[in-house]
Amino acid sequence: DAKTTQPPSMDCAEGRAANLPCNHSTISGNEYVYWYRQIHSQGPQYIIHGLKNNETNEMASLIITEDRKSSTLILPHATLRDTAVYYCIVRVLLYNFNKFYFGSGTKLNVKP
Amino acid sequence: EPEVTQTPSHQVTQMGQEVILRCVPISNHLYFYWYRQILGQKVEFLVSFYNNEISEKSEIFDDQFSVERPDGSNFTLKIRSTKLEDSAMYFCASTLRGDRASPLHFGNGTRLTVT
Repeated sequence: DAKTTQPPSMDCAEGRAANLPCNHSTISGNEYVYWYRQIHSQGPQYIIHGLKNNETNEMASLIITEDRKSSTLILPHATLRDTAVYYCIVRVLLYNFNKFYFGSGTKLNVKP
Repeated sequence: EPEVTQTPSHQVTQMGQEVILRCVPISNHLYFYWYRQILGQKVEFLVSFYNNEISEKSEIFDDQFSVERPDGSNFTLKIRSTKLEDSAMYFCASTLRGDRASPLHFGNGTRLTVT
């Protein structure tokens, strides 16, 4: 998988937008950007994914730069329950099967 | 919303014992995975499974590990003779398709403690 770089931690005030950056400068044209989060020791939770275009769902928005070398996950109104480790993963299809490699992620601390 | 379920949530076993961790993937999913996370470390890929056979495994997944889909709903991970270093959270995941645009959905894990 293409390597991703994320800041180890970020703070965000409750109710404000949380913008989590990710660099994936070695991404190739067929690789998707995925975002997951892990709250405490629970299983990784799928948030969103995209290839080229910006994406939005009920949880978050994903902004991918035109050159696809970086992306930003946006939580529009962060709550205390959004405190978690957020993983940016770039996934390549190997043979016919795919898997994720998790990095260290960004620990988002949402503060009252 | 359908989810991946894992049992038990916590398993304590003695070194050298066999354990079986159980998972019920989302019902129409076809690809299955096991990951593990040692306390304070990254989530690591163990094995992927499709069409009743292992498709890929990591170097962690040695001869002590095996996976099985004994029926149409369960997916199990067996550790034949547990070691202290097998203590970790074990996560099962499933996905509908094998292509790049199909997200993996994870269960909430089984915490395995080997004493």
